[in-house]
Amino acid sequence: AQKVTQAQTEISVVEKEDVTLDCVYETRDTTYYLFWYKQPPSGELVFLIRRNSFDEQNEISGRYSWNFQKSTSSFNFTITASQVVDSAVYFCALINNAGNMLTFGGGTRLMVKP
Amino acid sequence: EPEVTQTPSHQVTQMGQEVILRCVPISNHLYFYWYRQILGQKVEFLVSFYNNEISEKSEIFDDQFSVERPDGSNFTLKIRSTKLEDSAMYFCASSVPSDRMNTGELFFGEGSRLTVL
Repeated sequence: AQKVTQAQTEISVVEKEDVTLDCVYETRDTTYYLFWYKQPPSGELVFLIRRNSFDEQNEISGRYSWNFQKSTSSFNFTITASQVVDSAVYFCALINNAGNMLTFGGGTRLMVKP
Repeated sequence: EPEVTQTPSHQVTQMGQEVILRCVPISNHLYFYWYRQILGQKVEFLVSFYNNEISEKSEIFDDQFSVERPDGSNFTLKIRSTKLEDSAMYFCASSVPSDRMNTGELFFGEGSRLTVL
């Protein structure tokens, strides 16, 4: 069985603050993929990043960065200098190598106030 | 860029009615999925479909639900007799291209919002 936990249900920050969204996962598979999706108020799921279990390099993409720590089964997401447009629900997710079930965390609602 | 498309974007139905939600996955993908998101809650796995049969399904996917690939392009989710608690956003997804390495990514459609009255 696999499980993804996002302990923060809601975070509120003021624009330009940095914010980190936590994600902890459980899986028995040795090969798996981790994802972050953004769900804006319009409802669609927007893919942000994919990381496979063998690649522990951190990644930075503009204001977004991801910290994958296999030792603690965590895949945290940091937004630097947050903007109002970052307001959304963010989901962390995990899929096994067989690729037949993507498991989502409960989501973190991020509110960025001007 | 190819994408997953879903119809209808919003459907309102009466309790007890049958509903069919339609999806056109990306054409060279091998796996298809349905997910559900009740308003304000997490995205929940319903079913995965591969090689013309169900690969895996969750507890939510009971006898009221069925999936079908009636032709080479569509992938449908049928709810036989809708209940109030079936009101949710239903997302279709596809993955695993047949002609390239599997990156593990699922490509989601924009969702079909179902409202059961």
